[in-house]
Amino acid sequence: GAGVSQSPSNKVTEKGKDVELRCDPISGHTALYWYRQSLGQGLEFLIYFQGNSAPDKSGLPSDRFSAERTGGSVSTLTIQRTQQEDSAVYLCASSIGVPSGNTIYFGEGSWLTVV
Amino acid sequence: AQRVTQPEKLLSVFKGAPVELKCNYSYSGSPELFWYVQYSRQRLQLLLRHISRESIKGFTADLNKGETSFHLKKPFAQEEDSAMYYCALSGGRGSTLGRLYFGRGTQLTVWP
Repeated sequence: GAGVSQSPSNKVTEKGKDVELRCDPISGHTALYWYRQSLGQGLEFLIYFQGNSAPDKSGLPSDRFSAERTGGSVSTLTIQRTQQEDSAVYLCASSIGVPSGNTIYFGEGSWLTVV
Repeated sequence: AQRVTQPEKLLSVFKGAPVELKCNYSYSGSPELFWYVQYSRQRLQLLLRHISRESIKGFTADLNKGETSFHLKKPFAQEEDSAMYYCALSGGRGSTLGRLYFGRGTQLTVWP
């Protein structure tokens, strides 16, 4: 595709509900990343995929967060039992390889509001 | 531990004035440094990286290993430069190879 595509662009959910955020990376990009952007907190790394495997998932804030990637393409970030502090913009990005020497392309983000 | 610090949350200058956005980092090895920019209602995008030694939109940034800094500079700011700027570091090894460490960002406003 033309760029990294994320859905939904906006999601309002009730506290305690589960949400799924989807990311469709640029075709051919083997590396995929999830970041969280909160007001005043900058960008927080969540997880990185190389192909379908996640060598670095240490950024996931709790066991309520999980992510998977299938077919080396689409990725889903799932947040279970959402809390108000989960409200943020969730950014997905992709690159041909690891960040070193390669440009990372970001999606427009999924804005999550937990009420 | 890897860390990127952008000391200024907000920075305002008048059009035509020089601008410098500060970035300091801590990293034990040889890092790769980047500046990312996010214009209003647009996605985050790469502005420049230190290994390219390029000037993009009039912006330059020099890696100073002695001061562990990677400040972003432009001699004459333009109104269209108003945006959020993030400094980022890549330097992981092994399992953290894919991680970019971002600063908290500096919101630049250029007044007419």
